[in-house]
Amino acid sequence: NAGVTQTPKFQVLKTGQSMTLQCAQDMNHNSMYWYRQDPGMGLRLIYYSASEGTTDKGEVPNGYNVSRLNKREFSLRLESAAPSQTSVYFCASTDADTQYFGPGTRLTVL
Amino acid sequence: GENVEQHPSTLSVQEGDSAVIKCTYSDSASNYFPWYKQELGKGPQLIIDIRSNVGEKKDQRIAVTLNKTAKHFSLHITETQPEDSAVYFCAASKYSGGGADGLTFGKGTHLIIQP
Repeated sequence: NAGVTQTPKFQVLKTGQSMTLQCAQDMNHNSMYWYRQDPGMGLRLIYYSASEGTTDKGEVPNGYNVSRLNKREFSLRLESAAPSQTSVYFCASTDADTQYFGPGTRLTVL
Repeated sequence: GENVEQHPSTLSVQEGDSAVIKCTYSDSASNYFPWYKQELGKGPQLIIDIRSNVGEKKDQRIAVTLNKTAKHFSLHITETQPEDSAVYFCAASKYSGGGADGLTFGKGTHLIIQP
């Protein structure tokens, strides 16, 4: 039981490049989330998915798209990366009682 | 939307002493208040949570108190140990587990345990 896994762990992009952050959970949870964490800030919600095929915007969705591929996987895509998207990205899933977080992806946009 | 304030931003205590971190929230509809511990380079890990139908919850050296009238909740760590050094986040939500709005987090407290 690996919990919530994320790939890659680290990534450096140039402004304007695109990439997809991958997240998977093996706990059979329906709900999944993407957050970003910036220095001196708490985590802020980017997108939420209640189940396969459904997604909703969170507090800071601009510049991002998501795909809930199946119950296990929830990906976050940056179509045209900007320096303001330099951050640590965390994926989470919930059993409607507790939210479990992955180890994070540290993204730098130059 | 919900707003969570957390204090202090940094807390340094002697090993064996107690540590207290305080949070306030703005939305009276919030009912779920988890605390997460984040070690360097890792994701947040839940250490304790409390729901609005109770005022206090304890798990060994860790306790959380909730005052719904005043809209504040606190984390208490007793007999602190070096492995307690980390960043601690409080959060609030209307729903257990976060629901559609996710969790609203405070900005974190860097707890330093001095030997």
